[in-house]
Amino acid sequence: AQSVTQPDIHITVSEGASLELRCNYSYGATPYLFWYVQSPGQGLQLLLKYFSGDTLVQGIKGFEAEFKRSQSSFNLRKPSVHWSDAAEYFCAVGVRGGYQKVTFGTGTKLQVIP
Amino acid sequence: SAVISQKPSRDICQRGTSLTIQCQVDSQVTMMFWYRQQPGQSLTLIATANQGSEATYESGFVIDKFPISRPNLTFSTLTVSNMSPEDSSIYLCSVGDGAKNIQYFGAGTRLSVL
Repeated sequence: AQSVTQPDIHITVSEGASLELRCNYSYGATPYLFWYVQSPGQGLQLLLKYFSGDTLVQGIKGFEAEFKRSQSSFNLRKPSVHWSDAAEYFCAVGVRGGYQKVTFGTGTKLQVIP
Repeated sequence: SAVISQKPSRDICQRGTSLTIQCQVDSQVTMMFWYRQQPGQSLTLIATANQGSEATYESGFVIDKFPISRPNLTFSTLTVSNMSPEDSSIYLCSVGDGAKNIQYFGAGTRLSVL
């Protein structure tokens, strides 16, 4: 069975600073990988996904993520954080051939300070 | 992307009662999913609801506690039965997009059980 680890429960960054959120997965084959964001009082919004091909994927809101097979990682990055990026971020892994079976990490809560 | 409406957005219920959560999608979809997000936790899949068949429940979730209906391709309900304070959670509906291999989420129902 697949699993996802997000080591950082809470991260605080200054507005304008760069951001990297860590995600490690466990799965026996090449997985489907996702990053979702949940703003306060909102549902989950898909930021980006990786299925195959270029290991650096671009998403919405200026986010990108890099798939590193050797490290079983899929870290999310943004070069300059905006106050509106304050939210909870979830990494998720799905099995090949089945986006239905998606396992979510425990989330990282991002706080942005002026 | 699909637009998903969930009702109610939040509710406060008494122990021992039941609450039915509705999920409406603006397009026909084959697969719908129900998740639970307990306070400070990640999302856990409760069940998968396909139109025309019985819902498939994940380990730890049973139909008597979480009955699901899926009367057509745009609508589903989840009932939380005989509630206890441990049922206080956010319940999220999602729909599957087979062409893009992703799930879209509703805004969730925030349930508090007293």
